[in-house]
Amino acid sequence: KNEVEQSPQNLTAQEGEFITINCSYSVGISALHWLQQHPGGGIVSLFMLSSGKKKHGRLIATINIQEKHSSLHITASHPRDSAVYICAVKVLQGAQKLVFGQGTRLTINP
Amino acid sequence: DTGVSQDPRHKITKRGQNVTFRCDPISEHNRLYWYRQTLGQGPEFLTYFQNEAQLEKSRLLSDRFSAERPKGSFSTLEIQRTEQGDSAMYLCASSLQGATEKLFFGEGSRLTVL
Repeated sequence: KNEVEQSPQNLTAQEGEFITINCSYSVGISALHWLQQHPGGGIVSLFMLSSGKKKHGRLIATINIQEKHSSLHITASHPRDSAVYICAVKVLQGAQKLVFGQGTRLTINP
Repeated sequence: DTGVSQDPRHKITKRGQNVTFRCDPISEHNRLYWYRQTLGQGPEFLTYFQNEAQLEKSRLLSDRFSAERPKGSFSTLEIQRTEQGDSAMYLCASSLQGATEKLFFGEGSRLTVL
């Protein structure tokens, strides 16, 4: 079993729908990242969380440290949101290594 | 452009050859990371530098792999005697040590070993 599991692996939705991507992890962490990867490889950091909730535009990320779970929400989804969304955790205090989930491929149809 | 840059973007090589990738991080970033990503998978950690010191190294990094960051600025990742299993996207990222440590990724160097 991977240390970081994402669900769903693939998600297709219509423009305007509310999107939720989930990330569960089995190790102690000091922080969790949500990343966006477009075709061709470029990765953009969306959020870094250690507790609570963060919001940026139409994106909202939450984390529950006790339940070892994080969610990424997209409101009013748009075709340009189509990408792979990756959850990554920084394992243990002081360590810089990130452990990544397999990613969730999101497709938003017009 | 002052983002993270990687060179080359694509490299095709024959098995057994050596290859070297270069990463230029954002200039004030003291932390630099190398990751490897194969098709359909999330990235895997390879190694991490703080300034010029290589502080963490994955068990994935066999003896054929070596990374350097000689002056705490750019970094190189060399793969000796390449194997077909080395075919992957090699990603570099950098960050500035601090409470809100955001990662910035390069576009990656795609390696194909024939």
